[in-house]
Amino acid sequence: DAGVIQSPRHEVTEMGQEVTLRCKPISGHDYLFWYRQTMMRGLELLIYFNNNVPIDDSGMPEDRFSAKMPNASFSTLKIQPSEPRDSAVYFCASSNNPQGTQYFGPGTRLLVL
Amino acid sequence: GENVEQHPSTLSVQEGDSAVIKCTYSDSASNYFPWYKQELGKGPQLIIDIRSNVGEKKDQRIAVTLNKTAKHFSLHITETQPEDSAVYFCAAPASSGNTPLVFGKGTRLSVIA
Repeated sequence: DAGVIQSPRHEVTEMGQEVTLRCKPISGHDYLFWYRQTMMRGLELLIYFNNNVPIDDSGMPEDRFSAKMPNASFSTLKIQPSEPRDSAVYFCASSNNPQGTQYFGPGTRLLVL
Repeated sequence: GENVEQHPSTLSVQEGDSAVIKCTYSDSASNYFPWYKQELGKGPQLIIDIRSNVGEKKDQRIAVTLNKTAKHFSLHITETQPEDSAVYFCAAPASSGNTPLVFGKGTRLSVIA
C-alpha cells in the first residue's frame, strides 16, 4: 500500500483565497483524521470521520474551515477565506481503530501571505 | 477528557548517550500508549507502543516503560545516533471507546555527533 497520500505538498496563497487540501487514506481504514501542526500549538486534531461521517469537528477553529469525505478513499479540508494565521502543516491520518495506530500522510505545508 | 503532558520539550544528548522522554496522562482507564517519531518534513510515524497489561517493551535500542499507578510512561533510547534526531510524540486514548488518541506536545531530540 502507498500509505496515506496528501496533496498538494506545499501551498502558497494570498490572504482571502480559498485553499483546498486533499487526502487519500489507506484502503480499508474506517477512520480519517485531519490535524494542524504549528510550533506554538503542536499537533491539533481538527476533525475526524468514521465511515465517511464526521464524528467530532470540535477542533475546527472557525467557520472558515470545512471538511468533507464524499467516499471512503477521499477527503478534503477547505479554508475559505484563508488568513495568515492559518499558515501551518496540515496532516491527514487514517486508522482502523480510533484508539489504535494512526498512519500519517506527509503533510501539506500551507503558507498564507 | 484525557490530558497528556510530555517532558522535556527539547532534549540534547551526545551521540552514544541515552535519552529519556516522559509523559503523564490523566485517564486511569487508558490502556494503549504509543510513541511516534517525526522526522523533518515528514508525518509522525509509530515507533513503539505498549498496552496496559505489560510494564515494559523493548525493540532494539528503544524501549517504553509504563507505570499505571502513577499514570506515566516513558520512552528510552539507548546508544543514540544522529539519525535519532527528530520530534517524538507520546499519545494516549480517552476511556470512551470511539474517541481518538490525544497527543503530547512533542519533544525535539537532538543527538550531537
